[in-house]
Amino acid sequence: QSALTQPASVSGSPGQSITISCTGNISDIGNYDIVSWYQQYPGKAPKLIIYEINKRPSGVSDRFSGSKSGNTASLTISGLQAEDEADYSCCTYGTSTTLLFGGGTKVTVV
Amino acid sequence: EVQLVQSGTEVTKPGESLRISCQGSGYNFPTYWISWVRQRPGKGLEWMGRIDPADSYTNYSPSFQGRVTLSVDKSRNTAFLQWSDLKTSDTALYFCARGLYDGYPFDYWGQGTLITVSS
Repeated sequence: QSALTQPASVSGSPGQSITISCTGNISDIGNYDIVSWYQQYPGKAPKLIIYEINKRPSGVSDRFSGSKSGNTASLTISGLQAEDEADYSCCTYGTSTTLLFGGGTKVTVV
Repeated sequence: EVQLVQSGTEVTKPGESLRISCQGSGYNFPTYWISWVRQRPGKGLEWMGRIDPADSYTNYSPSFQGRVTLSVDKSRNTAFLQWSDLKTSDTALYFCARGLYDGYPFDYWGQGTLITVSS
């Protein structure tokens, strides 16, 4: 199983929208409608921000949204803020019993 | 309040054995799977495997199968990650995480345990 493919970095200005892609194949992202996304600050534990492609846990800003098309999932951050500068990782099932993460994307607010 | 509290930083040598822990509180521990996730310095998250605290049933990533062992002590609400032959490449930050629905997604995370393996 290979890690899901994410861009290494994405940048945007405050107020802009950015989208992070997460590409897999027909066996993982294409096969399961349960992609999740995690936000992680350096040296800290990840935080769940999106699950089941487009659901947000309680307390997560509605500026975060998710989608999926074919073998690619996407995370969109609207109204980019300085506090959004972090690493973002996608995750889904690789098989029915094993999970896969993406390589992670560093978001920079310029 | 749900919490996962992990054991502290470890510095060890190649070839040695090690076990780190993750203690859950604020919820019914046997009800939720615990996964372990590795993060090497400057790298992404890697799912290692998971354990069902109710019956100790495990799933392992092929990348970690045979290299690590997951276990649990229900009486102490604690999950464990164990190595019997550490390598320098095991140097990383290790997280435990609670699986929300049948082991996934990961809604609560431990603070991480840093392991340094060096001769």
